[in-house]
Amino acid sequence: GDSVTQMEGPVTLSEEAFLTINCTYTATGYPSLFWYVQYPGEGLQLLLKATKADDKGSNKGFEATYRKETTSFHLEKGSVQVSDSAVYFCALKGGYSTLTFGKGTMLLVSP
Amino acid sequence: GAVVSQHPSRVICKSGTSVKIECRSLDFQATTMFWYRQFPKQSLMLMATSNEGSKATYEQGVEKDKFLINHASLTLSTLTVTSAHPEDSSFYICSAMEPATEAFFGQGTRLTVV
Repeated sequence: GDSVTQMEGPVTLSEEAFLTINCTYTATGYPSLFWYVQYPGEGLQLLLKATKADDKGSNKGFEATYRKETTSFHLEKGSVQVSDSAVYFCALKGGYSTLTFGKGTMLLVSP
Repeated sequence: GAVVSQHPSRVICKSGTSVKIECRSLDFQATTMFWYRQFPKQSLMLMATSNEGSKATYEQGVEKDKFLINHASLTLSTLTVTSAHPEDSSFYICSAMEPATEAFFGQGTRLTVV
C-alpha cells in the first residue's frame, strides 16, 4: 500500500538558517504530494502541493519538488523564522481520495 | 482556500457520557469527509471516511459502535464518541474534500475524558 516516510524530529534551527525536511514515498501510479503544517493546538493547514513529476510547490518561502526518480518531496526554506515552529506533515493522495500521512516532523526555531 | 469549521475546539466530559463533534464545510459542498485521531507526538490516524447520505467506512480496528459518524448533509458531518472512557482522550480532526481537489482540515477538537 501507499506509505510516506519523513525524517524524525525535532529539527532545531536558529532563525535565518536553511531548512530541509526529507520526505520519500511509496505509491502505485502517480500520486499527488502535499506538505501540511500544524501549529500547536490546531488542525492542519495545506502548505504546498504538487500533482505531477517535476512540479514545484511553493508557499510562504517554502518549496518542494516532486521527484519521481527518487520518489521524494523534500521541503526546503532558505531562511526560517521563529514563527515557522510547527509540525510538518508530508502526505500523498493516490488513486483513492484518502490521504496517507508521514509521522510528522517537529521544527523548533530559536531566535 | 476553503474553510472547514470544527466544533467544539475543546471538551471535557465524564467517563460514560457521549460527546458530539461537528465538522462543517463553510463555503463549499463536501461529498466526502474524513475523521482522524491524533495521539501525542504522532501522526494522524484515519478513523473513517463518510460520504453524504451513506454509511461511513471505518478503518480496521476502529469501533463503529463507539465512534458514530453521521454525514447528513453536504456541509455537515458529526462524530459522536459514545460511552467515552479516558483512553478515548485524544485530538480529533476532521477533513472535508472539495470534489476533485484537495482536503481541508478543521481546527481539531481536544477531547478529555475524566
